[in-house]
Amino acid sequence: AQSVTQLGSHVSVSEGALVLLRCNYSSSVPPYLFWYVQYPNQGLQLLLKYTTGATLVKGINGFEAEFKKSETSFHLTKPSAHMSDAAEYFCAVSDTGANSKLTFGKGITLSVRP
Amino acid sequence: DTEVTQTPKHLVMGMTNKKSLKCEQHMGHRAMYWYKQKAKKPPELMFVYSYEKLSINESVPSRFSPECPNSSLLNLHLHALQPEDSALYLCASSQRTATIYYGYTFGSGTRLTVV
Repeated sequence: AQSVTQLGSHVSVSEGALVLLRCNYSSSVPPYLFWYVQYPNQGLQLLLKYTTGATLVKGINGFEAEFKKSETSFHLTKPSAHMSDAAEYFCAVSDTGANSKLTFGKGITLSVRP
Repeated sequence: DTEVTQTPKHLVMGMTNKKSLKCEQHMGHRAMYWYKQKAKKPPELMFVYSYEKLSINESVPSRFSPECPNSSLLNLHLHALQPEDSALYLCASSQRTATIYYGYTFGSGTRLTVV
């Protein structure tokens, strides 16, 4: 079974500050890892994903994440927060099977202060 | 076309009504999913279709009935719902080959209110 842990429910940063959203996973097989963003009253948009290869993954809107197997982590970062980054962020994991299921963390709300 | 399209965007229905949610994708993805999302919660998997066959049913009540008429369409038929079924219903699709995993693409959802 797979699981994702996102500690905390809310992160607040100032505009221009570093964004760091933490994600730890548990998986018995090599995982696929994802970060999704959800703006109010919208669906989920894929920010980035790790499947194989390079462990530092770059995504849209200046976000990136690093897969660290030894720490079972996949933290999301952005060097400089923008007001438009305020949203709900979900980390998710799936296995590599044909009928894989995407398992989400509980999500974290990012607020950006002017 | 790189989108998953869901209709309607909003739906209000009574507890005795029958309605359907529709999901469509033209990316050639052969796996399609229904998720339910309550406010301030992560999406919860309901059903998985793989090559138009139901492969996973996460013990969803029978008042929710999925249907996959073809490789591009996924429906969710609703009947005799309860107010607690009010939520955002998300459709997603995914595809993988022997060498590439394309991940999941989500639609924008149908906001369902049961009165």
